[in-house]
Amino acid sequence: DAGITQSPRHKVTETGTPVTLRCHQTENHRYMYWYRQDPGHGLRLIHYSYGVKDTDKGEVSDGYSVSRSKTEDFLLTLESATSSQTSVYFCAISESGPSEMNTEAFFGQGTRLTVV
Amino acid sequence: TQLLEQSPQFLSIQEGENLTVYCNSSSVFSSLQWYRQEPGEGPVLLVTVVTGGEVKKLKRLTFQFGDARKDSSLHITAAQPGDTGLYLCAGADSNSGYSTLTFGKGTMLLVSP
Repeated sequence: DAGITQSPRHKVTETGTPVTLRCHQTENHRYMYWYRQDPGHGLRLIHYSYGVKDTDKGEVSDGYSVSRSKTEDFLLTLESATSSQTSVYFCAISESGPSEMNTEAFFGQGTRLTVV
Repeated sequence: TQLLEQSPQFLSIQEGENLTVYCNSSSVFSSLQWYRQEPGEGPVLLVTVVTGGEVKKLKRLTFQFGDARKDSSLHITAAQPGDTGLYLCAGADSNSGYSTLTFGKGTMLLVSP
């Protein structure tokens, strides 16, 4: 199994509070991604990183920020959590960009976030 | 935004039956991947198809990439309860300049003993 650890695995938080989710990898892969998965919507990309301090927005980036100060860590922050951000969040890593042929994305086990 | 439509959304069958699930788009993809996700886990890659018309087999699973590289199918022969899970297709576009995968919403497969 690829070495990806997401923390926490479960979290319940109140509306308006800041929340930070952590993704840690031991594979030294260049690319890291944050997705959210919701019924009826599938997996949607929030932000991704293509190197230390190099990040870009995905399809559903509003209300989220990310940081990558080290190759192995990619943090996702909800500055002020809302109920619409209740979801399962997945971190993924890949050695090269998905636009390059045969690049596999390895996923973490997910973080279930509930905003009440 | 490139869209991938998967059908059916949900499929419930008996052990031993055959099935096919589809992944369709109006866009051309340079490669397409199939993942399987079990409850409480992240998706796991099954296969990547790259060439139009390509067929790949993984034991009882057969994957095909359409000639125009806009669609793909996954056929399972003699399904088993262990095949139960969410099947996701994901496309990559080498011409878009974006280093991301676009995922379909998935097909939830339930195989009953």
